Amino acid sequence: EDQVTQSPEALRLQEGESSSLNCSYTVSGLRGLFWYRQDPGKGPEFLFTLYSAGEEKEKERLKATLTKKESFLHITAPKPEDSATYLCAVGAGSYQLTFGKGTKLSVIP
Amino acid sequence: DVKVTQSSRYLVKRTGEKVFLECVQDMDHENMFWYRQDPGLGLRLIYFSYDVKMKEKGDIPEGYSVSREKKERFSLILESASTNQTSMYLCASSTSGQSYEQYFGPGTRLTVT
Repeated sequence: EDQVTQSPEALRLQEGESSSLNCSYTVSGLRGLFWYRQDPGKGPEFLFTLYSAGEEKEKERLKATLTKKESFLHITAPKPEDSATYLCAVGAGSYQLTFGKGTKLSVIP
Repeated sequence: DVKVTQSSRYLVKRTGEKVFLECVQDMDHENMFWYRQDPGLGLRLIYFSYDVKMKEKGDIPEGYSVSREKKERFSLILESASTNQTSMYLCASSTSGQSYEQYFGPGTRLTVT
């Protein structure tokens, strides 16, 4: 059974304080690892797909990296508008995704 | 831009009512999904569909059914709503190609009283 564990559950940062969110996964035959951002009361918004170990993708202050066992979402000099819950998901043999429970990020001005 | 829309943002229903939640996507995606999201439990898959008239059970199908008569439309049906079905319901769609990230709708917050 595919499993995704995200840590920490919650993270408070001062504006400008860089940090990383972790997504550990167990899957047979990874086809893709996906990162999403979710604002309160809204649907998840797609951010990145990573396909193989060593791959990196960037978008503004966010950079996602992938190893064979985990992915990191690095947030550089975060701003209050980066506050959200960040979800990680993996895809294996089918088109279904297995989601982690998310990391709730709060960036304090 | 991919757009997934859901018929209602907020819905209040009484116990025992039949409830229809509708989802429409405009990107000609083959796959469509219904999830519910609850605090502490994360996203849980209810049903999904790979094609018109095709459906597969997800992790928590009990108490729900689905219908996909057209490629762009996927409906979730609660045959007899119960209070434990109070939740946020999210619809998503994806292609069947190599890049199969799912795109989500805005969600429907359903309250059953």
